[in-house]
Amino acid sequence: QVQLQESGPGLVKPSETLSLTCSVSGGSISGFYWSWIRQPPGRGLEWIGYIFYSGYTNYAPSLKSRLAISLDTSKNQFSLRLNSVTAADTAIYYCVRESRSGRGFLSYYFDSWGPGTLVTVSS
Amino acid sequence: SYVLTQPPSVSVAPGQTARITCGGNNIGSTNVHWYQQKPGQAPVLVVHDDSDRPSGIPERFSGASSANMATLTISRVAAGDEADYYCQVWDSSGDHRVLGGGTKLTVL
Repeated sequence: QVQLQESGPGLVKPSETLSLTCSVSGGSISGFYWSWIRQPPGRGLEWIGYIFYSGYTNYAPSLKSRLAISLDTSKNQFSLRLNSVTAADTAIYYCVRESRSGRGFLSYYFDSWGPGTLVTVSS
Repeated sequence: SYVLTQPPSVSVAPGQTARITCGGNNIGSTNVHWYQQKPGQAPVLVVHDDSDRPSGIPERFSGASSANMATLTISRVAAGDEADYYCQVWDSSGDHRVLGGGTKLTVL
């Protein structure tokens, strides 16, 4: 069973860059889409963006100008960089594996989640 | 962009049936997925592709979708089902993943 684990600083200063890494174990990065999802304290889930194992990326429009997702297949990891952060970026960040729908309409869903890591933006 | 609308809260007595809705334009023409999130934990997939359950999810959890509404049904609700529930679809127009705002299920 695949396992995901986020890592990175828990505190980032305003205007600086938030960097997180997701380590994947128990399975290969190859063949899958990998997403980041965040959740501000006491609020709902927000999809941030994904990277396909080929390196292709797609980001949420609201974050596209500040966001970069990359992967390192040799380490079985993928990473998130969000620059020019503000307090509004304070959230629990989850790394997630996606699966493609097996029937019906084409779709994608999140079948494996990391435990999440809280990142606080504060001076 | 595509929007999914969920009621903020649903309450149900133990042993009864809870129905959590997810509204979206022509949602019946896409696959809907549902997640359960208990306090302090990461979300867990409970239904995918409208009505399929991952291994380990009880048969009490079921889903359906048509027209502009999808529904997650939890039968014989127990205290352990108290959680936030989120619906999710794939927005083909931008290849984006879209999540509903979440519904807090309270077991009375």
